[in-house]
Amino acid sequence: NAGVTQTPKFRILKIGQSMTLQCTQDMNHNYMYWYRQDPGMGLKLIYYSVGAGITDKGEVPNGYNVSRSTTEDFPLRLELAAPSQTSVYFCASSPGGTDTQYFGPGTRLTVL
Amino acid sequence: DQQVKQNSPSLSVQEGRISILNCDYTNSMFDYFLWYKKYPAEGPTFLISISSIKDKNEDGRFTVFLNKSAKHLSLHIVPSQPGDSAVYFCAASATFQGAQKLVFGQGTRLTINP
Repeated sequence: NAGVTQTPKFRILKIGQSMTLQCTQDMNHNYMYWYRQDPGMGLKLIYYSVGAGITDKGEVPNGYNVSRSTTEDFPLRLELAAPSQTSVYFCASSPGGTDTQYFGPGTRLTVL
Repeated sequence: DQQVKQNSPSLSVQEGRISILNCDYTNSMFDYFLWYKKYPAEGPTFLISISSIKDKNEDGRFTVFLNKSAKHLSLHIVPSQPGDSAVYFCAASATFQGAQKLVFGQGTRLTINP
């Protein structure tokens, strides 16, 4: 099993550009999460999903959008990139809401 | 406000000795506490957890202690091995609408010296 995969690994964006960070899991997990990690800080929850078609905001949702059309995929969309969104983004999944979360390798995003 | 704090950014320990990583939290509503380990260029991986109704949980070389009155938990690694060198994140969990929302500390970089 590949587990949780994220693409791309690295990306540089210009201010105002948009992009989608991809996340796919092959474990048939219902729950999926997006986190960001700023330098020297812990991970912060952006959005989460409890199943296909259901998403909700986390701690830092501003500037991001998500969708969940399938169990496997949970893309994160940045519409108007800003320097404050420079961060490492991690996607995670879990079988149930209170189960261990499994993380992908991350996407390092720089906005200049 | 930082609900989960790891006040030591780094820790250096000799191989074979005990490593103790500390974590403090402020929210009494947290019902589960977890430790994650992270290597460079990888995502965090789950290490060990403890329910708020317990005060100790052990898994091989790893033991987590919870002191609810002090709102403090610690991770003990005995004996420490070079492969334990990584960043360790403490996380606290609050279950909301069926989903476990994790709040992470800033992380402690552990270096095991041969």
